[in-house]
Amino acid sequence: NAGVTQTPKFRVLKTGQSMTLLCAQDMNHEYMYWYRQDPGMGLRLIHYSVGEGTTAKGEVPDGYNVSRLKKQNFLLGLESAAPSQTSVYFCASSYLTRAYEQYFGPGTRLTVT
Amino acid sequence: AQSVTQLDSQVPVFEEAPVELRCNYSSSVSVYLFWYVQYPNQGLQLLLKYLSGSTLVESINGFEAEFNKSQTSFHLRKPSVHISDTAEYFCAVIMDTGRRALTFGSGTRLQVQP
Repeated sequence: NAGVTQTPKFRVLKTGQSMTLLCAQDMNHEYMYWYRQDPGMGLRLIHYSVGEGTTAKGEVPDGYNVSRLKKQNFLLGLESAAPSQTSVYFCASSYLTRAYEQYFGPGTRLTVT
Repeated sequence: AQSVTQLDSQVPVFEEAPVELRCNYSSSVSVYLFWYVQYPNQGLQLLLKYLSGSTLVESINGFEAEFNKSQTSFHLRKPSVHISDTAEYFCAVIMDTGRRALTFGSGTRLQVQP
């Protein structure tokens, strides 16, 4: 039981490049989330999904896209990276009836130069 | 809309001393309240939660938090801290209706010194 895993752990991009972050969970959770963590700002919700094939915007969705083609995977895409997207990205998942109890992955540290 | 305020960004404390990490929230509807902990270079883990019932909740490692509705607070306390408690602590809320997503505070870094 691996819990929530994230790929990659580190990445450096140049402005304008694109990339996809992968989140996978093996707990059969319905809900999945993408957050970004910036110093002094806590975690802010980017996008989330309440089930396979469904996604919704969070607090800071601009510049990101997501997809949930399979229940266990939640992808976060950056089409044209900007320095403002330098951050640590966390994926989390939870059961539908216990959305407050979220299980977090180890994070992806992204630097955009 | 709901929001969470953690007034202290850093709290240095000596080992075996008591500590309180403050959290205040605002919301127009009922909320559930949580504390998450993040150890260095790791993701967040749920530390304790208040859903209903007793306003005093405890974790397995000696932390406790008390829900105070009149003061809209959910402060985290521990009577005697250990070096291993060094981490960042996040207060969070979720509304009991609508979007089931957590709103986090900005975090408090607890630094326990020997």
